[in-house]
Amino acid sequence: KAGVTQTPRYLIKTRGQQVTLSCSPISGHRSVSWYQQTPGQGLQFLFEYFSETQRNKGNFPGRFSGRQFSNSRSEMNVSTLELGDSALYLCASSERQGAANGYTFGSGTRLTVV
Amino acid sequence: KNEVEQSPQNLTAQEGEFITINCSYSVGISALHWLQQHPGGGIVSLFMLSSGKKKHGRLIATINIQEKHSSLHITASHPRDSAVYICAAHYLGGGSNYKLTFGKGTLLTVNP
Repeated sequence: KAGVTQTPRYLIKTRGQQVTLSCSPISGHRSVSWYQQTPGQGLQFLFEYFSETQRNKGNFPGRFSGRQFSNSRSEMNVSTLELGDSALYLCASSERQGAANGYTFGSGTRLTVV
Repeated sequence: KNEVEQSPQNLTAQEGEFITINCSYSVGISALHWLQQHPGGGIVSLFMLSSGKKKHGRLIATINIQEKHSSLHITASHPRDSAVYICAAHYLGGGSNYKLTFGKGTLLTVNP
């Protein structure tokens, strides 16, 4: 069974640009959640999608957005990039919303904003 | 405020030692997760528990609901256990909204 796949693994962008990251969940998993990890703040919840709908959102500005497709694949977008957006972005999938039966994490996308 | 506190922040041990990492949380969680993160970033979910104790190999996780406290134990530690261990509480909010709130992590270094 394939794991959670995140693409790309590494990305370098310039301030002001926008970026789109992709997450393919484990087959059969319908929930995808996104997290940002920085040295200063640690891991923080961004949002969760289930059945193509955003079900939950963390405390991030509107520049951070996402969507989920009918095949459960999810993308997150960050517009007008700032230096502080440099981070490891992780997604995790679970069978159901709320992950009562656990999460599986991807390897992450490391974004560097210069 | 939903918070997760982990201790210690850093831990250095000799191979073979018994390791304990602690996690405390606020009220209202539906589950608590222990995660392992190796250099390079990938996260592995070790345990998810809402009561009692779970064991997998040399790893044991316990949770005390009354005291709002969980511990991760590693028996007979090995250098390959060196990683960051993160505690995450699954807070039950309004409706069916759940959020994972993470501790800052414990950097474990096991020396041969």
